Amino acid sequence: EDQVTQSPEALRLQEGESSSLNCSYTVSGLRGLFWYRQDPGKGPEFLFTLYSAGEEKEKERLKATLTKKESFLHITAPKPEDSATYLCAVQEGSGSEKLVFGKGTKLTVNP
Amino acid sequence: DVKVTQSSRYLVKRTGEKVFLECVQDMDHENMFWYRQDPGLGLRLIYFSYDVKMKEKGDIPEGYSVSREKKERFSLILESASTNQTSMYLCASSVGSQPQHFGDGTRLSIL
Repeated sequence: EDQVTQSPEALRLQEGESSSLNCSYTVSGLRGLFWYRQDPGKGPEFLFTLYSAGEEKEKERLKATLTKKESFLHITAPKPEDSATYLCAVQEGSGSEKLVFGKGTKLTVNP
Repeated sequence: DVKVTQSSRYLVKRTGEKVFLECVQDMDHENMFWYRQDPGLGLRLIYFSYDVKMKEKGDIPEGYSVSREKKERFSLILESASTNQTSMYLCASSVGSQPQHFGDGTRLSIL
C-alpha cells in the first residue's frame, strides 16, 4: 500500500532560523511528488512538483529536493509569513491521477 | 490562474438530511476530485472523475455519491448526513498529471 509520511508533525522556528521538513514515501513507481502550502481555513496552494531523484526546485526561501525514498523542503531564513501547514503528496506510476497525501507539517515562525 | 470555487464556505445541516456540495472550475480541466480533511487524518480522497458522467471511488466513498453532468461542475452528495461526516470538504481539479488545484473548502457541520 502506498504510504507518505511527513516529519516532524509540528516545527517552531525563530525568524531567520533555517530548517528542513521531510517527506518519505513508498510507492510503486513515482510519477511525481508535490508540495503544497495550506493556510488556516484555506485550501492547499501548489508549490512544487518533482519528478526524478536529484531534481531540485526553488521559490523564494523554499527549496525542494528529491531522492528515491524521500523529499526535503528546505526553508532558508524563514519569516513569520512562512507559517503554514506544508503538505506532501505522491502520484504513483500506474497512470492514475490520484494523489496520496501525507498528514502535513505545521510550521510556526516566531518574530 | 486556475480558479476552483466551492459554493459554500460554511454549512450546517441536520442528521438524515440530503446534502449537496458544489464545485466549479474555470480551466476546462478533465479531472476533478473530492477530499475530506480531518485533524490527524490528513486529506482523504472520497471520489474523483476523469470526464463528464464518469466517476471512480476513492479511499472513503461510503455514505457519499457524486454527479458530474458538465465538465466544469462536480457535486458531492451526502445521501443521509450523519455526525461523523462533519468535516472540511475540499474540491480540486487538474489536467493530465499536472498539479491539482484546490478550492478553499466547505466546513460542514452535521448536528
